[in-house]
Amino acid sequence: DTGVSQDPRHKITKRGQNVTFRCDPISEHNRLYWYRQTLGQGPEFLTYFQNEAQLEKSRLLSDRFSAERPKGSFSTLEIQRTEQGDSAMYLCASSLVTMDEQFFGPGTRLTVL
Amino acid sequence: GDSVTQMEGPVTLSEEAFLTINCTYTATGYPSLFWYVQYPGEGLQLLLKATKADDKGSNKGFEATYRKETTSFHLEKGSVQVSDSAVYFCALNTNAGKSTFGDGTTLTVKP
Repeated sequence: DTGVSQDPRHKITKRGQNVTFRCDPISEHNRLYWYRQTLGQGPEFLTYFQNEAQLEKSRLLSDRFSAERPKGSFSTLEIQRTEQGDSAMYLCASSLVTMDEQFFGPGTRLTVL
Repeated sequence: GDSVTQMEGPVTLSEEAFLTINCTYTATGYPSLFWYVQYPGEGLQLLLKATKADDKGSNKGFEATYRKETTSFHLEKGSVQVSDSAVYFCALNTNAGKSTFGDGTTLTVKP
């Protein structure tokens, strides 16, 4: 399968714990995006990378959130001191810089108890 | 900022009925427009797209036309099937790269 993959698919954690999610984009794609989706809403943009450079961060991305893409391939999204309001589906997508459509992974569902 | 407004759901239709899901947008510049579909338990998949005014995107019997004068991109299908039951998202993308999505419309097709 050469699509976007995300790990883990589900994560349950207690409030105050740190969590880290991984995204592996389609191999030749140089752009990588993170979105958050809550029940009944569409995906909301969090941040995106072009190669290893983080080009934009949403105001939704508080200082408890950090994302990296160290070698321009896979990316990680870390949430520190999780809160119940962080419970959501975290989606990763990738594209080529010449594309306007994005290819989405299956998402990581985070539940904060 | 950019925004997308979708027809509120859920929408329930009988098999072979005609489908319309309305989508309007606000954007600076000239966005590309998309419809994505999310089947139960799966990730978002691109259904169709249009990149400039008057373009028509089509796929799997679904169609949508980029109407700049009404800032709309309504999704239509002439005859829906049970297998079309899913959540449909309208989205736009500007040169900045990120996409802006509507809140989704849940379609249920009954046999």
